[in-house]
Amino acid sequence: AQSVTQLGSHVSVSEGALVLLRCNYSSSVPPYLFWYVQYPNQGLQLLLKYTTGATLVKGINGFEAEFKKSETSFHLTKPSAHMSDAAEYFCAVSVNFGNEKLTFGTGTRLTIIP
Amino acid sequence: SQTIHQWPATLVQPVGSPLSLECTVEGTSNPNLYWYRQAAGRGLQLLFYSVGIGQISSEVPQNLSASRPQDRQFILSSKKLLLSDSGFYLCAWSLSAGPYEQYFGPGTRLTVT
Repeated sequence: AQSVTQLGSHVSVSEGALVLLRCNYSSSVPPYLFWYVQYPNQGLQLLLKYTTGATLVKGINGFEAEFKKSETSFHLTKPSAHMSDAAEYFCAVSVNFGNEKLTFGTGTRLTIIP
Repeated sequence: SQTIHQWPATLVQPVGSPLSLECTVEGTSNPNLYWYRQAAGRGLQLLFYSVGIGQISSEVPQNLSASRPQDRQFILSSKKLLLSDSGFYLCAWSLSAGPYEQYFGPGTRLTVT
């Protein structure tokens, strides 16, 4: 079975600073990896995904993530934080072997300091 | 393009009352469908998922049930609500083949009083 660990349930960064949200996964087969964002009282929105191919994945709102198999990581970054980035971020993993579910991390709440 | 609808957006119900939340998807056929719950300050809890009409898998035993009467319709029900059923309920869909990225509806905020 696959699993996801998000380090840091709360992360605060200053506006304009680098955003780094950490995600490590565990999977016995090649994983598919996702980052989602959730604004208050809204559903989750897909930020980006890694399936196959290029390990550096670019998503919406200037975010990107890099799949590092050797480190079993899929950290989310953004060079310069904006106030509108304040939200909850979820990392998720799936595998393509008859398991139709995503396994989500527990989430990281990102706060942007003006 | 595909869209997913949930209603109602908010609901306040007394303990012991029944519940019915509805989710519909447009623009795709034979999707996988999912119900999640977020309790206050907690992560996502998968409640049910369905890979086809009448096919429901339950992830957590509780007083909730789910049904899929039509290909793109997913209903979450309860005969008698508990206080612990309060939370934010999210419906999601994915394609029936991997990588199973899910697309979420706007959610229903349920408060049981």
